[in-house]
Amino acid sequence: AQSVTQLDSHVSVSEGTPVLLRCNYSSSYSPSLFWYVQHPNKGLQLLLKYTSAATLVKGINGFEAEFKKSETSFHLTKPSAHMSDAAEYFCVVTFGDDYKLSFGAGTTVTVRA
Amino acid sequence: DGGITQSPKYLFRKEGQNVTLSCEQNLNHDAMYWYRQDPGQGLRLIYYSQIVNDFQKGDIAEGYSVSREKKESFPLTVTSAQKNPTAFYLCASSIGHGGNTIYFGEGSWLTVV
Repeated sequence: AQSVTQLDSHVSVSEGTPVLLRCNYSSSYSPSLFWYVQHPNKGLQLLLKYTSAATLVKGINGFEAEFKKSETSFHLTKPSAHMSDAAEYFCVVTFGDDYKLSFGAGTTVTVRA
Repeated sequence: DGGITQSPKYLFRKEGQNVTLSCEQNLNHDAMYWYRQDPGQGLRLIYYSQIVNDFQKGDIAEGYSVSREKKESFPLTVTSAQKNPTAFYLCASSIGHGGNTIYFGEGSWLTVV
């Protein structure tokens, strides 16, 4: 069975310091992987996606993620956090032609001034 | 602008009432989805539709119903059979199957009073 695990439910960083959000998946198939961000009472906005092209994926707002097949991971990073990065982040996985997505439980990011 | 429009943003339901949440997209996407999000939790799939006049149950379809009479519209009815309907509901769409990016609406809050 496919699944996705976000290893941290809450991450707190100081403004200007790096952010790391961890995501692992399990599947026998080649995945498509996404990171979404959700601000309070809003929909989900796509940050970036991996679909079997380059393993290092660059997204919006300075975020990037690296697909590591050997580690079944797709961690999200940003070199310097901004106050506006405070939000909920979701790692999302889908496999093959499946219409159903698997969502991680989410990671809440707090940015300290 | 192209996108997904959900309405209403906030809705209150009395016990025993059915309510319908609207979702309209002008992205010309074939696939549409409804997700439920409870506070502090990830998203759970209620129903999805791959094409007009066709839809499938997701993981938590009990107490909900949908229709897909037009490509751009996918309304969700929360029936009185849904015992705990208070939640944030998100509509989404994509060009095709899961390897393609899914785009989300801004969400609708449903509260039982």
